[in-house]
Amino acid sequence: GEDVEQSLFLSVREGDSSVINCTYTDSSSTYLYWYKQEPGAGLQLLTYIFSNMDMKQDQRLTVLLNKKDKHLSLRIADTQTGDSAIYFCAERVMGDMRFGAGTRLTVKP
Amino acid sequence: DADVTQTPRNRITKTGKRIMLECSQTKGHDRMYWYRQDPGLGLRLIYYSFDVKDINKGEISDGYSVSRQAQAKFSLSLESAIPNQTALYFCATSEPQGNEQFFGPGTRLTVL
Repeated sequence: GEDVEQSLFLSVREGDSSVINCTYTDSSSTYLYWYKQEPGAGLQLLTYIFSNMDMKQDQRLTVLLNKKDKHLSLRIADTQTGDSAIYFCAERVMGDMRFGAGTRLTVKP
Repeated sequence: DADVTQTPRNRITKTGKRIMLECSQTKGHDRMYWYRQDPGLGLRLIYYSFDVKDINKGEISDGYSVSRQAQAKFSLSLESAIPNQTALYFCATSEPQGNEQFFGPGTRLTVL
């Protein structure tokens, strides 16, 4: 299969950490991505990780990659109301991009 | 100013009508893409173009056609719109070896 799967919804309280999970099936992925989509807008790249890396940290964002299990996660520390959006996991395989269905993150005050 | 623009932003049309969605970019990228987004399905690739003379079908090209008028412009046409083409359509661009696709703001199309 060529699926990228992620849960559709996640709700957290402001100040907590959010963890959004993604699984993919193609072991030949070269890069894996997290995109953020705010209401009424297109997708914006948040971060990406090369497939030979295990972890990447960028300020409040931590990406973990378990290549053996084909599992990617995005952790947002100290989640804020402005983080409410849809987060898309994507993999790049031979130049093609494959997107998951998106996880809608809701941050409650 | 936005680097990738799409027109129109919203469109409501009737079954059987011909519709054209337009995308323009100022990023100077050779590669351009059209995706549709449906709830619970993520983004699916309709067509992509690696340069003006190179156009390729994506995952769900049936019922759609495209035209790459120039490096900066990539149009998506629905020759005879049907209700299940109601969706959010995104244009994107990238560099040949780039790691990022840059997305336009999307066009919301409703076919009645």
